[in-house]
Amino acid sequence: NAGVTQTPKFQVLKTGQSMTLQCAQDMNHEYMSWYRQDPGMGLRLIHYSVGAGITDQGEVPNGYNVSRSTTEDFPLRLLSAAPSQTSVYFCASSYLKLGTEAFFGQGTRLTVV
Amino acid sequence: AQSVTQLDSQVPVFEEAPVELRCNYSSSVSVYLFWYVQYPNQGLQLLLKYLSGSTLVESINGFEAEFNKSQTSFHLRKPSVHISDTAEYFCAVRVAGTASKLTFGTGTRLQVTL
Repeated sequence: NAGVTQTPKFQVLKTGQSMTLQCAQDMNHEYMSWYRQDPGMGLRLIHYSVGAGITDQGEVPNGYNVSRSTTEDFPLRLLSAAPSQTSVYFCASSYLKLGTEAFFGQGTRLTVV
Repeated sequence: AQSVTQLDSQVPVFEEAPVELRCNYSSSVSVYLFWYVQYPNQGLQLLLKYLSGSTLVESINGFEAEFNKSQTSFHLRKPSVHISDTAEYFCAVRVAGTASKLTFGTGTRLQVTL
């Protein structure tokens, strides 16, 4: 079982460049989300989706866009990368049924220079 | 809004010693509580969770956590740690009745040495 797959694993961007972090899950989960992990700050929610065509902002949405055209995929777009977006990004998915666990991808380590 | 506090950013401990990782939460409504573990260069994995019922929950690798509503705590314990338990541990809370939004604490780095 693939679970939650994130690509790429590593990426270096120049300030101002754009890119898309990919996330796919094969568990038919309704709920998908993106977090960023920074030292001493834990995981902070960027955007989330409760189903295809539905997205909403989390705690730190500025500078990021998302879309959810299918149940399986939930890409995260950086329109104009900034050094402050240097971080490790995690995608997670779960059923909407309350209390079920979230499954995480392996993460994407992004450096913006 | 709910929040999670993990007061200890790092906990060093010798192998076979007991350990407790502290977690306190803040919420005005009922919550579900989770502990996740992150091994180096990996994603997060669920360690254990409290939804309802018995306040003491256990994981398959010897960890346990106790939900204490009056103290709004969900501390993680293990009576005897192993080198392989070295990892970062995150406490997380989800408000009961909401659509799966998890709020994480800042994490505790458990470092087990010989």
